[in-house]
Amino acid sequence: KAGVTQTPRYLIKTRGQQVTLSCSPISGHRSVSWYQQTPGQGLQFLFEYFSETQRNKGNFPGRFSGRQFSNSRSEMNVSTLELGDSALYLCASSPGAGNTGELFFGEGSRLTVL
Amino acid sequence: KQEVTQIPAALSVPEGENLVLNCSFTDSAIYNLQWFRQDPGKGLTSLLLIQSSQREQTSGRLNASLDKSSGRSTLYIAASQPGDSATYLCVPQRTSYGKLTFGQGTILTVHP
Repeated sequence: KAGVTQTPRYLIKTRGQQVTLSCSPISGHRSVSWYQQTPGQGLQFLFEYFSETQRNKGNFPGRFSGRQFSNSRSEMNVSTLELGDSALYLCASSPGAGNTGELFFGEGSRLTVL
Repeated sequence: KQEVTQIPAALSVPEGENLVLNCSFTDSAIYNLQWFRQDPGKGLTSLLLIQSSQREQTSGRLNASLDKSSGRSTLYIAASQPGDSATYLCVPQRTSYGKLTFGQGTILTVHP
């Protein structure tokens, strides 16, 4: 059974550009959540999707957005990139309707903003 | 608001030692708690999931206990190996649709 797949694994952008990251959850999982990890702030929640609906979001500016497709794959977009957006972006999938199932994380997408 | 504290922040031990990693959380209204390890620059790897109705879970050399009422969980690692070197994170979960709270983790180094 394939795990959570994130693409691209590494990318470099310049300030002002925008970026789209992709996450394919484990087959059968309908919940996808996104997190940002930086040395200074640690792991912080961005948003969560279930059946194409955003159910929750963290405290990030509107430059951070996401969506989920009917096949449960999810994308997140960051517009007008800032230096502080440099981070490891992780997505996690879980089976279910509630947040009581085991979470599985992908390897992450490492974004560097120059 | 959930807060997670992990003690110690860092631990360096010789190979073969038995270890105890501690986790405390402020909001005990959780459905489960999951322990992860993270290698540098990598994603989180699930180690153990303890449902709130359970007291402990075991997988190989790992054993995790949960005392929900006191807001504590402990991860025991038996006969540590250099390959166990990583950051360990405990993550208590509520039905908050992904809005997890992470502590800073315990950085474990096991040297040969």
